[in-house]
Amino acid sequence: KNEVEQSPQNLTAQEGEFITINCSYSVGISALHWLQQHPGGGIVSLFMLSSGKKKHGRLIATINIQEKHSSLHITASHPRDSAVYICAGQETSGSRLTFGEGTQLTVNP
Amino acid sequence: AAGVIQSPRHLIKEKRETATLKCYPIPRHDTVYWYQQGPGQDPQFLISFYEKMQSDKGSIPDRFSAQQFSDYHSELNMSSLELGDSALYFCASSLYSVGTAYGYTFGSGTRLTVV
Repeated sequence: KNEVEQSPQNLTAQEGEFITINCSYSVGISALHWLQQHPGGGIVSLFMLSSGKKKHGRLIATINIQEKHSSLHITASHPRDSAVYICAGQETSGSRLTFGEGTQLTVNP
Repeated sequence: AAGVIQSPRHLIKEKRETATLKCYPIPRHDTVYWYQQGPGQDPQFLISFYEKMQSDKGSIPDRFSAQQFSDYHSELNMSSLELGDSALYFCASSLYSVGTAYGYTFGSGTRLTVV
């Protein structure tokens, strides 16, 4: 069974802080998605990674294929970044996603 | 830019009733996925379709069925609804090429409440 584990489950930060959320995944996952979900809301795709590093605005995502580990970084965090961030693995044998438990991020002003 | 459109946004049904959820993928996307997210839970994969054929099947109850039509939109049909079916149902679409799903995009979800 493919597994995705992320940490921490909850994260509280002060505005302006640098934030890191980590994700580990098992064999059988070929790509890693980072997603954002607001309370009661839909899911927004932030990044899809199969190697290296991607950057979009204040968000940076990295992946280490050998270690089966990915990180999502938020620079200069802002209260509007408060949301649940989810790491999801895309299976090698198909396209279904296996979701991590999510990280509830709260950024205080 | 066009996104994945789901309808309805909210749906309230009674036990044992039926419900139909619709998903319209991004233009030119050929694959549709359905996920179920119960209260406080991670989304769980239900089923997917590629080029109108079922491509993968997850934890979809036998009471549920789905299909993808010629215009690539998909419908999830749910019968004999139970209280436990109350959840947020997400649809996602992608373009499948060379063994990889590109442009994975989620809809806003349909919140189903069974009373």
